Amino acid sequence: ELKVEQNPLFLSMQEGKNYTIYCNYSTTSDRLYWYRQDPGKSLESLFVLLSNGAVKQEGRLMASLDTKARLSTLHITAAVHDLSATYFCAVELDSNYQLIWGAGTKLIIKP
Amino acid sequence: GAGVSQSPRYKVAKRGQDVALRCDPISGHVSLFWYQQALGQGPEFLTYFQNEAQLDKSGLPSDRFFAERPEGSVSTLKIQRTQQEDSAVYLCASRPGGATNEKLFFGSGTQLSVL
Repeated sequence: ELKVEQNPLFLSMQEGKNYTIYCNYSTTSDRLYWYRQDPGKSLESLFVLLSNGAVKQEGRLMASLDTKARLSTLHITAAVHDLSATYFCAVELDSNYQLIWGAGTKLIIKP
Repeated sequence: GAGVSQSPRYKVAKRGQDVALRCDPISGHVSLFWYQQALGQGPEFLTYFQNEAQLDKSGLPSDRFFAERPEGSVSTLKIQRTQQEDSAVYLCASRPGGATNEKLFFGSGTQLSVL
């Protein structure tokens, strides 16, 4: 059974600090997605990582994928309040198109 | 449309009542998914359509759940004889093709509360 684990599940940090959210998964896959969800809102796609070593950056967020370690990271640089949200990683099964989701990391950035 | 639209936004049902949740995907999108999201959890896959064909319904939790997409655009998720454990947010998502490496576009969801 594929498991996707995010760490930490909750993170409170100050503006201007750097931090990393980790996403571990338990089976072979080379397709991993990061999404953002604001309270009461829909899921917004952040990154699509499609191969080992893939790195993508958008503003203060950078995501990477290591398929051999079955690990993806989402790094936040110089956090700002607007990045407060819940961040989910999701792994696409090799055998089909189902996404298996982590439980989410609730990020609170204090001004 | 500009995005994936779901209705109603909120639904309160009495236990045993039937409900129907609607999803309007982005126009022209081939793939449509339904997910269930419990409070504080990640979404869980329910079912997948490619055009009007339901290719996977392995995530539907019981035979009380039924989904359709008869003309390959709008989809309806129906839950019969609702139970309290059905309370969750039901998310619809679509993507342009049938490829497995495209990002999903999600609707805002229908929050179902079963009393």
